[in-house]
Order: sequence, then C-alpha cells, then structure tokens
Amino acid sequence: DTAVSQTPKYLVTQMGNDKSIKCEQNLGHDTMYWYKQDSKKFLKIMFSYNNKELIINETVPNRFSPKSPDKAHLNLHINSLELGDSAVYFCASSQDLVGLAEQYFGPGTRLTVT
Amino acid sequence: GENVEQHPSTLSVQEGDSAVIKCTYSDSASNYFPWYKQELGKRPQLIIDIRSNVGEKKDQRIAVTLNKTAKHFSLHITETQPEDSAVYFCAAGNTGGFKTIFGAGTRLFVKA
Repeated sequence: DTAVSQTPKYLVTQMGNDKSIKCEQNLGHDTMYWYKQDSKKFLKIMFSYNNKELIINETVPNRFSPKSPDKAHLNLHINSLELGDSAVYFCASSQDLVGLAEQYFGPGTRLTVT
Repeated sequence: GENVEQHPSTLSVQEGDSAVIKCTYSDSASNYFPWYKQELGKRPQLIIDIRSNVGEKKDQRIAVTLNKTAKHFSLHITETQPEDSAVYFCAAGNTGGFKTIFGAGTRLFVKA
C-alpha cells in the first residue's frame, strides 16, 4: 500500500557511469517531481511533470533526463555521473499541478558516486 | 527569483519547552505555505499547512502563523518531546509558479 515508491534505495557507482532511478505512485496524482537533497539537507526541485508532460526543469544539467511513460511513473536517468551528483534523490507526487497541495515523497535513493 | 529563507538552521530545546521556526518568502503571489518534517533517514512528510486567507492554524501541539504583509510565516511547537527531533522545512507555493519552494531546513534537537 506504499503511496510513492522508488528503486533502488541505495546506488553506489563510479564516475562516468550511467544509472537510472525509478519512481511510481499509486495515489492517482497527475503531478510528479524529482528533488535533490544534498549533504546539508537542502531540498532542491529538479523537475516536475504533469500528465507525462515536463512542466519545470530547474536548470538541471542535460546529463539528467527524466522520463514519464505514464502519469504514475517518473524515472530519472543520469548519464556520465560526477562526484557532485552524490546526494539523496526524492521523487514526489501531488494532486495539484499548481503548487497548492501536499506533496507525497518517496523514501529516497541515496546515490554515491566514487 | 523566488526564495524562502528559514531560521534558525539549528535549534536545541529542552523537552517540554516551545520551539519556533521562522520563514520569509520573496514572491508576493505565494498563497500556500506547508511545513514538512523529515526524521533521520526518512522522507519529508507534511505536518501542517496554511493558506493565505488564514492568519493562524493549529493542530494539537503544532501551530502556524502567517503575516502576508510582512511575508513571514512561523511554525510553533509547544510541549516539545524527543520524537519532535527532526529537520523541519517550510515552503511556499503559488498558483502561477507551478512549484513549491523549500526553505533550507531547521534541525531541531529536543533534549530529554
């Protein structure tokens, strides 16, 4: 009965590799997000999607490519991983596109780039 | 651009005392102000929110106040308990922005 799920929970990889993180929500929400949380705990939005369409791209390097096969899924693919990509990545969803509703977060994926 | 400032970054209180976390926002169009709690190693979860047509909202030991003129909003936790220890994030959202901007977080320690 998990509302927002992410896989994997932990990801350790070397610089230069390509990796993907998957996210699924079973809440029937139309809007999904990706956030990056660095070591100082700052939560920064990366992307938001509404009904599979990209709404926000917060000047994220184009090595990061989100993909939404349907409105219940928003996956994040990262090419040519760099040390600075190490962080916890949270997927989230909300009922409301326009930033006026509760966001439900996934459990996070801790990415470590060595 | 839009910005949400949050203070203090760290707050330590004795069990039973009150804790207050303050935020200011820059976008005058903001009209939704949620607060999220993130326990160690866990996901952020909404604990309370307030909309711009309301000045104050309370839920048991937690209350939020909003001053739209000054662009300030605050979280008040009374009778703090060790399980209140966590990182708290304020945030501001608005209809036109399509997103919620988060503050930098406050790490609250409640000492037993």
